[in-house]
Amino acid sequence: GESVGLHLPTLSVQEGDNSIINCAYSNSASDYFIWYKQESGKGPQFIIDIRSNMDKRQGQRVTVLLNKTVKHLSLQIAATQPGDSAVYFCAENGLRTDKLIFGTGTRLQVFP
Amino acid sequence: GAVVSQHPSRVICKSGTSVKIECRSLDFQATTMFWYRQFPKQSLMLMATSNEGSKATYEQGVEKDKFLINHASLTLSTLTVTSAHPEDSSFYICSARVSGTGDSPLHFGNGTRLTVT
Repeated sequence: GESVGLHLPTLSVQEGDNSIINCAYSNSASDYFIWYKQESGKGPQFIIDIRSNMDKRQGQRVTVLLNKTVKHLSLQIAATQPGDSAVYFCAENGLRTDKLIFGTGTRLQVFP
Repeated sequence: GAVVSQHPSRVICKSGTSVKIECRSLDFQATTMFWYRQFPKQSLMLMATSNEGSKATYEQGVEKDKFLINHASLTLSTLTVTSAHPEDSSFYICSARVSGTGDSPLHFGNGTRLTVT
């Protein structure tokens, strides 16, 4: 079936460095993508989204890149902070559905 | 911002009993809410779509008679786990979006940790 997946289950970065979290999706019809952050024991928190008519979108310290040719999505976090430690999920909404399909998640660990 | 509230945050019940989880949209109305389930160190799996005023739509493999969903108002959806068993122990999370269109983010509650003994 269709799925959204991630390359790295765990990413460790030093405080102050930039982080890049990657995601591969398989549904070429997907037209909307979201990154969520989930801290332990909490629900996912919206970070940033992007529509398929764009290839880049920036927020505060975060940038999402979309490469539709290879069906790849990435989240870049600038100047990573200890508070960024969490599990990050990419998710997609297909064109014909309002459901949200989640990827497998990447744990980001920030060390001093 | 949009706030989705879940209650309770944690519940422990005995095997064979039923548990009700409430999901409320606090500052917006939601004709549709989504219920997810998450096992430890795993991703969120969509269980069902809750539709205000009509029957819920369940994902393949989710037993509708075991996971009863009621969406009686534009701000409240409930999930009842009936005749709970230890394998139903999980983290249940609801979500909703402010806009009715699929190209807008879902806002999530903080989840309910269910433990069945």
